[in-house]
Amino acid sequence: KQEVTQIPAALSVPEGENLVLNCSFTDSAIYNLQWFRQDPGKGLTSLLLIQSSQREQTSGRLNASLDKSSGRSTLYIAASQPGDSATYLCAVAGANSKLTFGKGITLSVRP
Amino acid sequence: EAGVTQFPSHSVIEKGQTVTLRCDPISGHDNLYWYRRVMGKEIKFLLHFVKESKQDESGMPNNRFLAERTGGTYSTLKVQPAELEDSGVYFCASSLRDRLVDDEQYFGPGTRLTVT
Repeated sequence: KQEVTQIPAALSVPEGENLVLNCSFTDSAIYNLQWFRQDPGKGLTSLLLIQSSQREQTSGRLNASLDKSSGRSTLYIAASQPGDSATYLCAVAGANSKLTFGKGITLSVRP
Repeated sequence: EAGVTQFPSHSVIEKGQTVTLRCDPISGHDNLYWYRRVMGKEIKFLLHFVKESKQDESGMPNNRFLAERTGGTYSTLKVQPAELEDSGVYFCASSLRDRLVDDEQYFGPGTRLTVT
């Protein structure tokens, strides 16, 4: 059974700091990994999708990496801004397409 | 292009009542998924439709939950009778492809269900 862990549950950083959010999963037989952002009371916004054959994906100030063999992914946020404050969720897709989610990391960027 | 839409955004019902949630996927997306997040827990998979067929319903908690997707377009998720532990946020997602490595799922805003 796939389990996804995101630690810590919450993180507070000053504006401008570069930061790394971690995600680990127990079963390396994944098809892809998605990072999502969720604002309070809102739905999930897909940030990046990494295919199982890829090592990383980049979008603007965001960079996600994937190490399947060790069951780890990181989301790197460069030059953080207060608008980056949200909950960041990691989810992995297995052969049956369904996503298994972590509990998320609530990020607060202080002005 | 319109995203995944869900209705209602919020529903408050009493224990024992029936509630029906609706999801409209992105046009052309054959794959439709239901997920749920209960308080303090991670988002969990409920079921997966491919067009009008249930591909995987392994996450459905019990037979009080009934999902349908007639015609392969929108989907409904009915809870009857609702129990207190059914409270949470119900998310719908859709994707274009199935079982391929780049199958990105797009999520709706969710329906917050409160059972009192």
